[in-house]
Amino acid sequence: ETGVTQSPTHLIKTRGQQVTLRCSSQSGHNTVSWYQQALGQGPQFIFQYYREEENGRGNFPPRFSGLQFPNYSSELNVNALELDDSALYLCASSLMSDTQYFGPGTRLTVL
Amino acid sequence: AQKITQTQPGMFVQEKEAVTLDCTYDTSDPSYGLFWYKQPSSGEMIFLIYQGSYDQQNATEGRYSLNFQKARKSANLVISASQLGDSAMYFCAMRARNSGYSTLTFGKGTMLLVSP
Repeated sequence: ETGVTQSPTHLIKTRGQQVTLRCSSQSGHNTVSWYQQALGQGPQFIFQYYREEENGRGNFPPRFSGLQFPNYSSELNVNALELDDSALYLCASSLMSDTQYFGPGTRLTVL
Repeated sequence: AQKITQTQPGMFVQEKEAVTLDCTYDTSDPSYGLFWYKQPSSGEMIFLIYQGSYDQQNATEGRYSLNFQKARKSANLVISASQLGDSAMYFCAMRARNSGYSTLTFGKGTMLLVSP
């Protein structure tokens, strides 16, 4: 059974740029949730995808957007990057509302 | 709204000793789930243990047990026989059910250091 994978591992961008982060869900899981974890904080929910549609969103602006594909993998896109977007981005997959299993994360640095 | 509070920024324990990490929660939902995750310095969140709000027994998973006291709204994690590899951040989280989806609300975490 393959676990949750994320790419890239690390990323450095400058303010104003756009970034795409990728996540492959665990085998058998149909739901993907994305979280942002700032340094020294717990993860904050960004949004969740189920059956290729966004079915829930946290308190993040529209420049945070996503996609889910038929194989349940997912992308997180962030436009117009700001310095405060520097964080660890975690993807979690689950079978609907069951236990969420996390990937290793993508560490984004915005300069 | 759901809230998780972890009041211990850091805990120290000697190898082979037991340690309790505190977690209190607040929710108005009658049905909820409580989770503990471990986050090593590598960043990955590793699922440890789950307790449902209607579960009568405290959850156990190997060396991990969850001391669930519903009336006090607490869900403390007990790690027995600590090992050096247990050194990590530990997060308590609550599953909230919103309209049509569920999310996890996390606490700020507790850093556990296990010494030889």
